[in-house]
Amino acid sequence: GAGVSQSPRYKVAKRGQDVALRCDPISGHVSLFWYQQALGQGPEFLTYFQNEAQLDKSGLPSDRFFAERPEGSVSTLKIQRTQQEDSAVYLCASSLWTNTDTQYFGPGTRLTVL
Amino acid sequence: AQTVTQSQPEMSVQEAETVTLSCTYDTSESDYYLFWYKQPPSRQMILVIRQEAYKQQNATENRFSVNFQKAAKSFSLKISDSQLGDAAMYFCAYRSAQGGSEKLVFGKGTKLTVNP
Repeated sequence: GAGVSQSPRYKVAKRGQDVALRCDPISGHVSLFWYQQALGQGPEFLTYFQNEAQLDKSGLPSDRFFAERPEGSVSTLKIQRTQQEDSAVYLCASSLWTNTDTQYFGPGTRLTVL
Repeated sequence: AQTVTQSQPEMSVQEAETVTLSCTYDTSESDYYLFWYKQPPSRQMILVIRQEAYKQQNATENRFSVNFQKAAKSFSLKISDSQLGDAAMYFCAYRSAQGGSEKLVFGKGTKLTVNP
């Protein structure tokens, strides 16, 4: 089916605002990942879901970051009280099931915090 | 914790020539996966090639091949007959084979320019 989609593609927020970033994984994919990619850097892991269960959130940089996947498909990454250092591209990836499966990435959401 | 190092921030190659991108990694694990991803300016990350650490044979995908040296913890990517469409950021990535460790660990990337 269709690939991983993310919305919005671009988001500009004023410092202190809350933002919500959406990820639609490939249909049927059990595993979902969020990564943060700062300018000129490689992606860094934020959090991982298997179905609706958040199994690893060790990469979330602060308690202002929150992710959910309530029905095991669409996921939302929420950032509260945004700071300038939150400016980055947020990538979502999904994989079919196990650790052996390839992760397929979405186009990302570029967040700019002014 | 595992780390991935790409020592070449930028590389360039002439169209139709061959180029090799370097990657080294650090891990204490014996079983893992290694990947090369391509990220064109549109930002969508695309898998180029993957290697299972337990396989001695180097992976190949058409014009792309790897040189996997497990003892040296080296995983280089060779692109043969380079094409203009190969221009992109290339990221080397590591993933543990242990259950519960599904995240990818990326290097900082190498920007590849292909000159006509």
